[in-house]
Amino acid sequence: NAGVMQNPRHLVRRRGQEARLRCSPMKGHSHVYWYRQLPEEGLKFMVYLQKENIIDESGMPKERFSAEFPKEGPSILRIQQVVRGDSAAYFCASSPGQATNEKLFFGSGTQLSVL
Amino acid sequence: AQKITQTQPGMFVQEKEAVTLDCTYDTSDPSYGLFWYKQPSSGEMIFLIYQGSYDQQNATEGRYSLNFQKARKSANLVISASQLGDSAMYFCAMRERAGNMLTFGGGTRLMVKP
Repeated sequence: NAGVMQNPRHLVRRRGQEARLRCSPMKGHSHVYWYRQLPEEGLKFMVYLQKENIIDESGMPKERFSAEFPKEGPSILRIQQVVRGDSAAYFCASSPGQATNEKLFFGSGTQLSVL
Repeated sequence: AQKITQTQPGMFVQEKEAVTLDCTYDTSDPSYGLFWYKQPSSGEMIFLIYQGSYDQQNATEGRYSLNFQKARKSANLVISASQLGDSAMYFCAMRERAGNMLTFGGGTRLMVKP
């Protein structure tokens, strides 16, 4: 029973390039969350998606960032025209539901480095 | 305003001793859940323990227990009999019924001394 799978584990991009981060939730989970973590800081919420729908994107920067969770395939966090400030660890999490007692299962994260 | 506050950026504890990591929260939602996660140096987020706002008893999971003081809005994590492998970042988080996500505190780095 595989956990949340994220790839790549490490991603290096030059300024101005695009970064695509992938996340496959746990089997049976239809709720996906993306978080960003800067060094020595907590996780900051970015976006919450259910299949084919963005439910809450209140933590997403207004420009260059987008997310999707298609009917088939993994969830994708896309960062266009990356800048050095985008360097961070990006975590994906999934849960089977949205109740207050539903814990999130996290992937191992993608470490994005922008040169 | 910060919803989750962890006031201890770093803590030391002697191996085999108990340690308390502080967490205070702020919400007007009567229904919420409180979570603790551990993040070792390898980076993954490991769920430790959960406490619901309506739970009458403090949650316990093995060596982990949660000291839940609802009136003070605090949910401190107690680790008993510390082990070297407990050295990690620890994050407190809250999920409100009206919200869509877990909100995390800034974390506490715990270092266990041999």
